Amino acid sequence: AQSVTQLGSHVSVSEGALVLLRCNYSSSVPPYLFWYVQYPNQGLQLLLKYTTGATLVKGINGFEAEFKKSETSFHLTKPSAHMSDAAEYFCAVTTIYNQGGKLIFGQGTELSVKP
Amino acid sequence: GAGVSQSPSNKVTEKGKDVELRCDPISGHTALYWYRQSLGQGLEFLIYFQGNSAPDKSGLPSDRFSAERTGGSVSTLTIQRTQQEDSAVYLCASSSDLNQPQHFGDGTRLSIL
Repeated sequence: AQSVTQLGSHVSVSEGALVLLRCNYSSSVPPYLFWYVQYPNQGLQLLLKYTTGATLVKGINGFEAEFKKSETSFHLTKPSAHMSDAAEYFCAVTTIYNQGGKLIFGQGTELSVKP
Repeated sequence: GAGVSQSPSNKVTEKGKDVELRCDPISGHTALYWYRQSLGQGLEFLIYFQGNSAPDKSGLPSDRFSAERTGGSVSTLTIQRTQQEDSAVYLCASSSDLNQPQHFGDGTRLSIL
């Protein structure tokens, strides 16, 4: 079975500061990992994904994440926060063996950006 | 192009009533997923379709929940005899194939009085 743990339900940063959102996963088989962002009253938008290959993945809006198998982590970073980054972020895992590719989500991290 | 469309966007109903939630996936997407988002439980998988068949219904919380998909396109999630614990946002997603990135609709916010 797979699971995802997101450390910190709320993270607050200043505009221009580094954003770091933590995600650790558990999977007995090679995982596929995703970060989604959700703005108020909207669905989830894919930020980036890792399946195979390069472990540093770049996504939209300047975000990137690094897959570290030894640490079972897939932390999301952005060098400089913008006010428009304020939203809720979800890390998710699936595997090729997961019937249908259903996603297992973490509990989410709400990011606040202070001016 | 058009994204995943869900209707209604909001639904308020009385306990015990039946409700139907609709999802129009992205054209050509063969896989369709339903998730539920609630304060206490986070984001939970409910069911997925590949074409018109539903190989995995493991996430449906009770037999009051059912879903169907016709013509490999539109899907309907039905909740019978609604209970207050059914209050949540129901999200639909579609993908071009299994294990491809899922594209989400804006959800239906269901409130049971």
